[in-house]
Amino acid sequence: EVQLVESGGGLVKPGGSLRLSCAASGFTFSSYSMNWVRQAPGKGLEWVSSISSSSSYIYYADSVKGRFTISRDNAKNSLYLQMNSLRAEDTAVYYCARDRADSSGSLDYWGQGTLVTVSS
Amino acid sequence: QSALTQPASVSGSPGQSITISCTGTSSDVGSYNLVSWYQQHPGKAPKLMIYEVSKRPSGVSNRFSGSKSGNTASLTISGLQAEDEADYYCCSYAGSRVFGGGTKLTVL
Repeated sequence: EVQLVESGGGLVKPGGSLRLSCAASGFTFSSYSMNWVRQAPGKGLEWVSSISSSSSYIYYADSVKGRFTISRDNAKNSLYLQMNSLRAEDTAVYYCARDRADSSGSLDYWGQGTLVTVSS
Repeated sequence: QSALTQPASVSGSPGQSITISCTGTSSDVGSYNLVSWYQQHPGKAPKLMIYEVSKRPSGVSNRFSGSKSGNTASLTISGLQAEDEADYYCCSYAGSRVFGGGTKLTVL
């Protein structure tokens, strides 16, 4: 069974940093591109970042470019999101999501999310 | 990229059919057949319902169908059931991803 479990969320002050983790199991993690998608309270989904299976290709939404860094450790079946210079508008539930293997651009498995709150 | 445009809400009675539209541009929805749809119940993670405009993942009911015309994609749910009440999001993949603003489906 495919499982994605996020961790690392919490309360942080504006300008602070946080590192999110996503532990993957039930599939060959090293074969899949992975993503972070966030959802502000009461708002819609916003794609944040993607990383290819071997980390060769990395993409960011304009809203986080230069502040967030996505990475992965295939030996540990883990995905990460380093978030720096956090702002109030980064407050959201952050989901880890797997790309389907067929290059359709769709996300076939999602974690339950971890809440990040940026507030003084 | 700007968010795709979806109606804020739609509603229907059990057994009826509803359609949710998703309008983008010739640079996203109109360019590629890489539109997906997600269902999200309150407090839960999104679930993939449709990919590549009209394909259903294994396990998704055939009451869910997708289509596209020009820059607008659509999700149709037939034979509405109470458990279909949820938020629905479209997403277009054109190098990067852009989601729609979401549509709240109410089953009356």
